[in-house]
Amino acid sequence: SAVISQKPSRDICQRGTSLTIQCQVDSQVTMMFWYRQQPGQSLTLIATANQGSEATYESGFVIDKFPISRPNLTFSTLTVSNMSPEDSSIYLCAGEGVGEQYFGPGTRLTVT
Amino acid sequence: GIQVEQSPPDLILQEGANSTLRCNFSDSVNNLQWFHQNPWGQLINLFYIPSGTKQNGRLSATTVATERYSLLYISSSQTTDSGVYFCAVAETSGSRLTFGEGTQLTVNP
Repeated sequence: SAVISQKPSRDICQRGTSLTIQCQVDSQVTMMFWYRQQPGQSLTLIATANQGSEATYESGFVIDKFPISRPNLTFSTLTVSNMSPEDSSIYLCAGEGVGEQYFGPGTRLTVT
Repeated sequence: GIQVEQSPPDLILQEGANSTLRCNFSDSVNNLQWFHQNPWGQLINLFYIPSGTKQNGRLSATTVATERYSLLYISSSQTTDSGVYFCAVAETSGSRLTFGEGTQLTVNP
């Protein structure tokens, strides 16, 4: 199984600012993903992070708002740009090895 | 896209009771996973079970892919089993997981 770490674990940010979340996987994975969990809701996929190329975004999510990088097989970043209170959520990174996905501990973001 | 429905949405048990959680999905899948989200928000992998039956201690799961449903069984429940249980699936065309709305389980002492 993959062990996934994220930082920061939590943050409180002012509206209009940006936050970059880092995700590190302890072993090589074929796929990396970013999910959002809004308060009291389920998880929604934001995008698939592709190594060395632009991420693949799901409907309703755009690169200008959520730029993603994946410079190598084990590291990825998600930036939440120009934040508003509606962006207050838990952001989770996931990695997939042989079929099964494993999740990081999440970054709990509060926007004031 | 694929639809995932979980039932029941909420479940309250006394410690020691058994329970069954259900996950229905609308299309063929190549991945089905059950997760437990603890009160601190961490998603814990329970089962990777696109088909068949697996058991791990007090927990077991069965997926009947041809009928598009999966069941998670919890026996002799403990207070530490409390939390939200999610079913997530990926269609045969890719790896992207679609999550159900979850079952909120509360186990009382």
